[in-house]
Amino acid sequence: DAGVIQSPRHEVTEMGQEVTLRCKPISGHDYLFWYRQTMMRGLELLIYFNNNVPIDDSGMPEDRFSAKMPNASFSTLKIQPSEPRDSAVYFCASSSRGVAFFGQGTRLTVV
Amino acid sequence: AQTVTQSQPEMSVQEAETVTLSCTYDTSESDYYLFWYKQPPSRQMILVIRQEAYKQQNATENRFSVNFQKAAKSFSLKISDSQLGDAAMYFCAYRSYADSNYQLIWGAGTKLIIKP
Repeated sequence: DAGVIQSPRHEVTEMGQEVTLRCKPISGHDYLFWYRQTMMRGLELLIYFNNNVPIDDSGMPEDRFSAKMPNASFSTLKIQPSEPRDSAVYFCASSSRGVAFFGQGTRLTVV
Repeated sequence: AQTVTQSQPEMSVQEAETVTLSCTYDTSESDYYLFWYKQPPSRQMILVIRQEAYKQQNATENRFSVNFQKAAKSFSLKISDSQLGDAAMYFCAYRSYADSNYQLIWGAGTKLIIKP
């Protein structure tokens, strides 16, 4: 298995633009997590899904953030409109039986 | 609510030596998982080792081992024969055993520097 695959690896966008981050979890994993990592706040859980259903989105910072999981092999995290304070590394992780495996992350820079 | 504390922001060790990273946690649960993740400069979070709280035996993965003290709520990571490739941020994490809660609670991390 190729592991959790995220795209793009790097994204630079202008303030106000829409940004979409993508994630392909490990096949057979029934949980999917979106995290944000910054120097100031460390790792923050934004939202997680179980069997494609959002379970807890209390970590989503604002309505500008939304996440979907239309099927077991794909998820997106969208920011619209983006702001400079959204600049961070965004990780997707998938899990089965308790152990979470992470993708390589997307480094987002909003200028 | 559970919390995880890593009191060492940074540690350094000579190559080939042994280093121990500390982690303490707070919980009222009796069953849970504990993990150590490594984040090298490539930034990917890599699982190093995990421990189930109900197991008394300390987990070991090659040069990595843990000292799990359940009563003291301590979960330290020992790296033997340190190698340059071990340089990374190390994060301790806690997860409830309950199937309804798959969230990981993270420590702030310890930066490990390997001196050649």
